[in-house]
Amino acid sequence: QVHLVESGGGMVPPGGSLRLSCVASGFIFSDYGMHWVRQAPGRGLEWVTFLRYDGSTIHYADSVKGRFTISRDISKNTLYLQMNGLTTEDTALYYCARQFGRLTFDSWGQGTQVTVSS
Amino acid sequence: AIQMTQSPSSLSASVGDRVTITCRASQGIRNDVDWYQQKPGEAPKLLIYAASTLQSGVPSRFSGSGSGTDFTLTISSLQPEDFATYYCLQDYNYPFTFGPGTKVDI
Repeated sequence: QVHLVESGGGMVPPGGSLRLSCVASGFIFSDYGMHWVRQAPGRGLEWVTFLRYDGSTIHYADSVKGRFTISRDISKNTLYLQMNGLTTEDTALYYCARQFGRLTFDSWGQGTQVTVSS
Repeated sequence: AIQMTQSPSSLSASVGDRVTITCRASQGIRNDVDWYQQKPGEAPKLLIYAASTLQSGVPSRFSGSGSGTDFTLTISSLQPEDFATYYCLQDYNYPFTFGPGTKVDI
């Protein structure tokens, strides 16, 4: 059974940093592209970043480019999101989700909450 | 970036109703649209991919259609568990973009 479990969220002041983790199980992690998607309180979904299954390609939303970095450790079946220079606009529930071929976001984690506040 | 608009933003319906939600892309995106259902406090769930392909395990009362710029999600007979918010997504190119959502309530 596919499981994605996010962690690492918390409350940080503006300008702070956090590293989110997403531990995958129940599938071959290295065969799947992985995304981060976020949802601000009471708002819709916003795609954040993508890492291709072979690690060859990364994309970022303009809103996070230059501040966020996606990476993974295949040996640990873990996806990461390093977030620097956080602003109040980054306050959201952050989900990891996988991609396989034409199937986009076919499995999601439960999310980890990031709150940026002074 | 490709903009995705959805209509209506919300609707009220009854069990058994036929419900149609539309999504429009700001440019042609072939059939590269997916539909997701999200219930309060839960992660989104993939319903339809490639505009019209039903994801495994999703009830057949859900269907999708469209290509180019105009897409539709239809629920043929609304069930109590279908009251939720529905989002379209374009995965034609990066940045992927979601529609603003359609809330379906009683």
